[in-house]
Amino acid sequence: DTEVTQTPKHLVMGMTNKKSLKCEQHMGHRAMYWYKQKAKKPPELMFVYSYEKLSINESVPSRFSPECPNSSLLNLHLHALQPEDSALYLCASSHVDREFTDTQYFGPGTRLTVL
Amino acid sequence: SQKIEQNSEALNIQEGKTATLTCNYTNYSPAYLQWYRQDPGRGPVFLLLIRENEKEKRKERLKVTFDTTLKQSLFHITASQPADSATYLCALDETGGSYIPTFGRGTSLIVHP
Repeated sequence: DTEVTQTPKHLVMGMTNKKSLKCEQHMGHRAMYWYKQKAKKPPELMFVYSYEKLSINESVPSRFSPECPNSSLLNLHLHALQPEDSALYLCASSHVDREFTDTQYFGPGTRLTVL
Repeated sequence: SQKIEQNSEALNIQEGKTATLTCNYTNYSPAYLQWYRQDPGRGPVFLLLIRENEKEKRKERLKVTFDTTLKQSLFHITASQPADSATYLCALDETGGSYIPTFGRGTSLIVHP
């Protein structure tokens, strides 16, 4: 199984809502990532989990809260978002050991719209 | 400062021709460079990886070259098809860096029938 799945595919939320994005992989990867991507821009790294521990937080506002319940699952909890947070949110996974290819396997993304 | 540059203008080519996309970098010493394909509204899909000690890599109709002197990678698609139309991103990670690649903004390829 070489697939990363993400739910939901689309999400529309108001600025006072609380919602969660979910990501799952069964490739045995011990690194999982959240990226944010705006149109015609590269994916922008938000968080990295390595062995279920948060290893990188790229100065992301606290209205985004990541969680890694186990080695296969990654969540992104959203609260009090702003319209400028509207974007494609991508989950990815990879091996941690640099002896491997460091290839990132991306999910299909969640298109988030904040009204 | 560090930069990864890909042509922001779309590349338009005719079906059957070879598409060549460029990735230039500044102030990096990459351990490897990767190419990904991204379709609109979808996540990037890994295509090819080339390491710093490799000059060329091929996979079916795809070919990647890596010139560390010019600080450039070229990505070629031979016998291009309309289905190859997408945005192509390059990504690199530095020698001694983390295992996390940094992405360029990508170049849009449009193959006309």
